[in-house]
Amino acid sequence: AQKVTQAQTEISVVEKEDVTLDCVYETRDTTYYLFWYKQPPSGELVFLIRRNSFDEQNEISGRYSWNFQKSTSSFNFTITASQVVDSAVYFCALSAYNAGNMLTFGGGTRLMVKP
Amino acid sequence: GAGVSQSPSNKVTEKGKDVELRCDPISGHTALYWYRQSLGQGLEFLIYFQGNSAPDKSGLPSDRFSAERTGGSVSTLTIQRTQQEDSAVYLCASSLTGWADTQYFGPGTRLTVL
Repeated sequence: AQKVTQAQTEISVVEKEDVTLDCVYETRDTTYYLFWYKQPPSGELVFLIRRNSFDEQNEISGRYSWNFQKSTSSFNFTITASQVVDSAVYFCALSAYNAGNMLTFGGGTRLMVKP
Repeated sequence: GAGVSQSPSNKVTEKGKDVELRCDPISGHTALYWYRQSLGQGLEFLIYFQGNSAPDKSGLPSDRFSAERTGGSVSTLTIQRTQQEDSAVYLCASSLTGWADTQYFGPGTRLTVL
């Protein structure tokens, strides 16, 4: 079975602060993909990043960065200099090779960025 | 290009009625997924279609739920004899092929069962 845990249900920061959203996953597969999605108040899930299990390089995209560590089964997401528009629910998800084609989602972290 | 579209955006129905939810995937995407998002259960997988293969129905919660995909494109999720616990947002996603490809989501259909 596969599982994704996002321990932080809600985080509140003030604009321009850096914030890290944690994601811990469980799978017996050695081949898997990890994803992050953003769900703004409008409701639509927006794809942010996909990372495969064989690539542990960290990734940076503008103010967003991701830290993938297989040793701790974590795939954390950091927003630098947060902005009000970053306010949303963020989901981490896992797709493992032998576990079917579906995404298994974490419970989500609600990020509130206050001006 | 156009993203995944779903209709209706909102549906209110009475307990015991049947409902149909529609999904139009991104053109050229062979894989199509249905998920359900509810307050108590988070985001749950329901069913997966890939090309002409038999669908993976392992996530359907009961036999009141069914789905079909016609012509490898549009999909319809049908819920028969709706119950109040069926109230949720039903999300459709598509991907270019199957496993490991990025899934792109539609805006969802919010179903309310009175």
